[in-house]
Amino acid sequence: DAGITQSPRHKVTETGTPVTLRCHQTENHRYMYWYRQDPGHGLRLIHYSYGVKDTDKGEVSDGYSVSRSKTEDFLLTLESATSSQTSVYFCAISGSGGTNTDTQYFGPGTRLTVL
Amino acid sequence: AQTVTQSQPEMSVQEAETVTLSCTYDTSENNYYLFWYKQPPSRQMILVIRQEAYKQQNATENRFSVNFQKAAKSFSLKISDSQLGDTAMYFCAFKMYSGGGADGLTFGKGTHLIIQP
Repeated sequence: DAGITQSPRHKVTETGTPVTLRCHQTENHRYMYWYRQDPGHGLRLIHYSYGVKDTDKGEVSDGYSVSRSKTEDFLLTLESATSSQTSVYFCAISGSGGTNTDTQYFGPGTRLTVL
Repeated sequence: AQTVTQSQPEMSVQEAETVTLSCTYDTSENNYYLFWYKQPPSRQMILVIRQEAYKQQNATENRFSVNFQKAAKSFSLKISDSQLGDTAMYFCAFKMYSGGGADGLTFGKGTHLIIQP
């Protein structure tokens, strides 16, 4: 299994509060991604990073920001959480060389509930 | 934009049977990758198999194989000798070839596969 951890694994918060989710990898992979999973939607890309301090928006980026100050950590921040952001959040990584460059490996997920 | 469609929300088969999950996709790209991921009740997303669009040979991984029909934009997953541990959500996913990996996956909505004892 790829060395990917996510923290926290579960979180309950209230509407309007800021929330930060952390993804940590030990694989030294260049690319990192944040997805959300909702019933009936599969997984959808929120943001991704192609290097330290290099990030870009995905399909459902509104209400989210990200930061990557070092290779191993990719943070997802909800500046002011809303109930529509209740979801399961997955981090993924992919390498920068070889045949598996375009293959993404996923972390265990974080279940976030916004009340 | 790419779309991925999984037309079977749920399937149920007996243990040891063979089952095929369907996936179709829409793209104007010529170079891309297709994947099947498995998500058991533990919620972990597990890569099952991968196919490069430029390869005509269908990918296989032990009991898992695909039928890749590029012209028809079809990418089905066949599971042979199904086992109870195969019970899971299965997601089909598409990724453009980017030369460096910096593109997200586009997922279908999933097929819930139940293996009955």
